[in-house]
Amino acid sequence: EAGVAQSPRYKIIEKRQSVAFWCNPISGHATLYWYQQILGQGPKLLIQFQNNGVVDDSQLPKDRFSAERLKGVDSTLKIQPAKLEDSAVYLCASSLYGGNEQFFGPGTRLTVL
Amino acid sequence: AQSVSQHNHHVILSEAASLELGCNYSYGGTVNLFWYVQYPGQHLQLLLKYFSGDPLVKGIKGFEAEFIKSKFSFNLRKPSVQWSDTAEYFCAVNEGGTYKYIFGTGTRLKVLA
Repeated sequence: EAGVAQSPRYKIIEKRQSVAFWCNPISGHATLYWYQQILGQGPKLLIQFQNNGVVDDSQLPKDRFSAERLKGVDSTLKIQPAKLEDSAVYLCASSLYGGNEQFFGPGTRLTVL
Repeated sequence: AQSVSQHNHHVILSEAASLELGCNYSYGGTVNLFWYVQYPGQHLQLLLKYFSGDPLVKGIKGFEAEFIKSKFSFNLRKPSVQWSDTAEYFCAVNEGGTYKYIFGTGTRLKVLA
């Protein structure tokens, strides 16, 4: 079965610019997650979708981050404007349903200069 | 706030040595427990999981973990490590009912040939 796809794999931007990441989960997976992983730390959940509804976005910095999952399949995560501290790997994961095993994509490494 | 602690940040072992990585969590309710592994250049992938039943869980590649509810622990073990086990290991806890995941900071294991 095809895995979780993410693009781009790498992105370098200057602070105050905007950036968007795309994720395509495993077919049939209802739950989709976006994580931020800063170097030396574990993944931190930013937002969790169940189909196209938001289940948890308590750790999403909503003044600059936004995410959507149209039609309950693909998802995009946007940062506008970016700050230096946003430099991290952004991981997308999906699972059949919440609470179950997650399948991770390769991540997008963002560098903000 | 709920938390997951992995006390060993870096571990270096020789091949055939035994491994035990600690994981403690703070949530007092029902939990699902996971160990994920990230090999160099690869995605995060599931090593093993515990939902209920036998507290000794066996995973892939000879790994096992034991859930000790009274100690809020889910330690990962392997009796004899191989060079190919060199990777970063993450413990994750899913709070039952909320489907919220919390990851530990990870343990970087290096196995010397």
